[in-house]
Amino acid sequence: NAGVTQTPKFQVLKTGQSMTLQCAQDMNHEYMSWYRQDPGMGLRLIHYSVGAGITDQGEVPNGYNVSRSTTEDFPLRLLSAAPSQTSVYFCASSYSRDPNYGYTFGSGTRLTVV
Amino acid sequence: GENVEQHPSTLSVQEGDSAVIKCTYSDSASNYFPWYKQELGKRPQLIIDIRSNVGEKKDQRIAVTLNKTAKHFSLHITETQPEDSAVYFCAASKQGGSEKLVFGKGTKLTVNP
Repeated sequence: NAGVTQTPKFQVLKTGQSMTLQCAQDMNHEYMSWYRQDPGMGLRLIHYSVGAGITDQGEVPNGYNVSRSTTEDFPLRLLSAAPSQTSVYFCASSYSRDPNYGYTFGSGTRLTVV
Repeated sequence: GENVEQHPSTLSVQEGDSAVIKCTYSDSASNYFPWYKQELGKRPQLIIDIRSNVGEKKDQRIAVTLNKTAKHFSLHITETQPEDSAVYFCAASKQGGSEKLVFGKGTKLTVNP
């Protein structure tokens, strides 16, 4: 199993550009989520999905869209990049609501918006 | 919504000493409390977790305690080693699992040889 795969690993965007961060998992996990990590702020939930076709907002959803057309993929779209979206983005997946299985995190995408 | 406070933000100990990191949560409906370890430049990894029907859980040198009445939980690391140096995050969820986990802001632990 590859686990959770995120692409790209690094990205520089200009203000106003749009892009999609890719996330794929091959563990048949129902639950997938996107977090952003900023210095001193911990991990903050952007959007999450409990299964294909179902998504919901987390703590900091503004400026981001998601969709979940398959169990495996959960892309995060930045609609119009802003410098405040400079961050490290982590995708994570788990079996839904089973505390015996914690998150498996991807390796992260470091995004810089200039 | 849920709010998780974590203290201290930095912690420095000598090798072999114990380290304790404390977290408080605001939502009494929270029922799942994991701890993640993140080494520099790496992804967070689950190290231990506890559910609300359990007061304490141990795994070798690490243990987690939960006080539901006071709404706080703690991570205890005994006999610390340099490889324990990392940022540790606590988190809470009321979904029984990893769904909608709310994280604390992290504690940077440094173990000095």
